[in-house]
Amino acid sequence: NAGVMQNPRHLVRRRGQEARLRCSPMKGHSHVYWYRQLPEEGLKFMVYLQKENIIDESGMPKERFSAEFPKEGPSILRIQQVVRGDSAAYFCASSPVDRGPQPQHFGDGTRLSIL
Amino acid sequence: DQQVKQNSPSLSVQEGRISILNCDYTNSMFDYFLWYKKYPAEGPTFLISISSIKDKNEDGRFTVFLNKSAKHLSLHIVPSQPGDSAVYFCAANALGQNFVFGPGTRLSVLP
Repeated sequence: NAGVMQNPRHLVRRRGQEARLRCSPMKGHSHVYWYRQLPEEGLKFMVYLQKENIIDESGMPKERFSAEFPKEGPSILRIQQVVRGDSAAYFCASSPVDRGPQPQHFGDGTRLSIL
Repeated sequence: DQQVKQNSPSLSVQEGRISILNCDYTNSMFDYFLWYKKYPAEGPTFLISISSIKDKNEDGRFTVFLNKSAKHLSLHIVPSQPGDSAVYFCAANALGQNFVFGPGTRLSVLP
């Protein structure tokens, strides 16, 4: 399967716990983007990463959220001390170029539920 | 401020007829536009794109029209099929900038 892989597909956490969402980009893609979708809303950009670098995190909440894309392994979106408002679908996308005139390809998302 | 708007939250069309989904944008710097289709519990799937140097791009049953002066694009699906029932997002960006997505239009194609 050469598509964007996200896991887990569903994640349930209690308030105050940590959530870790993983994303492996499409083969040959070195640009990774994270988006959040709240119910009945569109996709909101969170962060853009290349290997070992955060390029643009202008959409990330200032606290509790962090992202990384290490030299080896998947990209990780980490949410510390989760709150009810963090419940959403989190999508990862990848592309072969930096936000140029080429589509981004999406994974099937992680649905995060906070109890 | 919503830079990309899809003013119709939902649309119902009879099978075999044309579906027209609309999208408006406010940022005149946008030069690349895409449509994605999304089924429940799946990620968005790229459908078709258009750059600002064109005003039309066609791929099978799908055609995207771009009217730069009106800052408007539309997706035409003809003929519509029940399998086209999904949420459709338009998205736009300027070179080197993040994509901005609209809120989506839910299309229902009735058999």
